[in-house]
Amino acid sequence: NAGVTQTPKFQVLKTGQSMTLQCAQDMNHNSMYWYRQDPGMGLRLIYYSASEGTTDKGEVPNGYNVSRLNKREFSLRLESAAPSQTSVYFCATEGARYEQYFGPGTRLTVT
Amino acid sequence: AQSVTQLGSHVSVSEGALVLLRCNYSSSVPPYLFWYVQYPNQGLQLLLKYTSAATLVKGINGFEAEFKKSETSFHLTKPSAHMSDAAEYFCAVSKASGGSYIPTFGRGTSLIVHP
Repeated sequence: NAGVTQTPKFQVLKTGQSMTLQCAQDMNHNSMYWYRQDPGMGLRLIYYSASEGTTDKGEVPNGYNVSRLNKREFSLRLESAAPSQTSVYFCATEGARYEQYFGPGTRLTVT
Repeated sequence: AQSVTQLGSHVSVSEGALVLLRCNYSSSVPPYLFWYVQYPNQGLQLLLKYTSAATLVKGINGFEAEFKKSETSFHLTKPSAHMSDAAEYFCAVSKASGGSYIPTFGRGTSLIVHP
């Protein structure tokens, strides 16, 4: 089992460009999450999806959109990238006792 | 809103010494509590979790944490540090909010282990 996978691993964008970060899980979990990690800030929740067909904003949703394509896949889209969105992005699922299972991350640089 | 405070962004210990990483949370109702570890260039991995059973929770790699409701604390300890324990550690709480359980993470503590 692959667990939680993310693509791409690295990405460099110019300001104003768009891109979609992909996340897929084979753990059959209902809830999925997108976080960003910045030095000294811990993990901050961008969006989450409690089940297929539902999405909700987290702490820092501005500048992002999400799609819960099916139970397995949860994508994060940056419509017009800004340097402030330079970060490491993690996708996660939630297990039966509310523990989180993380993907390996996407390191995004916006110039 | 709930919050998680990790005291000390960096903790430095010698190999073989006691490891103590502090975590306090703010919540009127005991939430679910977690510790995660992150090695360089990797995602976070679950170290241990408290879900209202025993107050002393044992995790992987010899770590344990004690839930103290009166102190709203969930400190992480390990009797003897190993070089391989050097990593970033995150405390997290998960509490019900509008039908979902929303996690909140502390800012992390970097554990440095000296030979």
